[in-house]
Amino acid sequence: DAMVIQNPRYQVTQFGKPVTLSCSQTLNHNVMYWYQQKSSQAPKLLFHYYDKDFNNEADTPDNFQSRRPNTSFCFLDIRSPGLGDAAMYLCATSRDTITVVNEQYFGPGTRLTVT
Amino acid sequence: AQSVTQLGSHVSVSEGALVLLRCNYSSSVPPYLFWYVQYPNQGLQLLLKYTSAATLVKGINGFEAEFKKSETSFHLTKPSAHMSDAAEYFCAVSLSGGYNKLIFGAGTRLAVHP
Repeated sequence: DAMVIQNPRYQVTQFGKPVTLSCSQTLNHNVMYWYQQKSSQAPKLLFHYYDKDFNNEADTPDNFQSRRPNTSFCFLDIRSPGLGDAAMYLCATSRDTITVVNEQYFGPGTRLTVT
Repeated sequence: AQSVTQLGSHVSVSEGALVLLRCNYSSSVPPYLFWYVQYPNQGLQLLLKYTSAATLVKGINGFEAEFKKSETSFHLTKPSAHMSDAAEYFCAVSLSGGYNKLIFGAGTRLAVHP
């Protein structure tokens, strides 16, 4: 089945220690998104890639970076995690949306704990 | 600016009872509207979407939603709740044109009691 895969599902990192979360997709979608979801809150968009074009949300901290080496993979790098960065991180994909609004397909998420 | 308001952060129903989750939107242009469900420690799964075709939209798992422009609402309903419906439900509006940014409501947690 075509899907969005996130690894690992649970990640523990230390305060200030860089961490990378990964996302892969078999849907061949050209748009990929990263969301942060804190406990009992709605997902908050951090950034997205439209093909190779990176688009950062205005309020996304500089501490968060992303890489997309190819269509299938996208990475979220947190350079110096703080306690406030503990959250569920969701990856999502969608098809080309210039002319049509398409739904997003979400992965299962990675729950990040910062100690 | 587009926004979504979900009335009721927690809704509790009995098994077999009607489920009604409320969503109101604000949009200066015709909106695209979505309902997603999230089970504990899982990602979001699309229940249904409105994209300006039929105003009554049927989704998965017996859910449906009706787009009412006059009321700026897109409430989610299910005639008979099942225990497996217990989850968090998010209403979202999408900016039309350009990339597909979703604006989520705060979510409604549905509890289903025997």
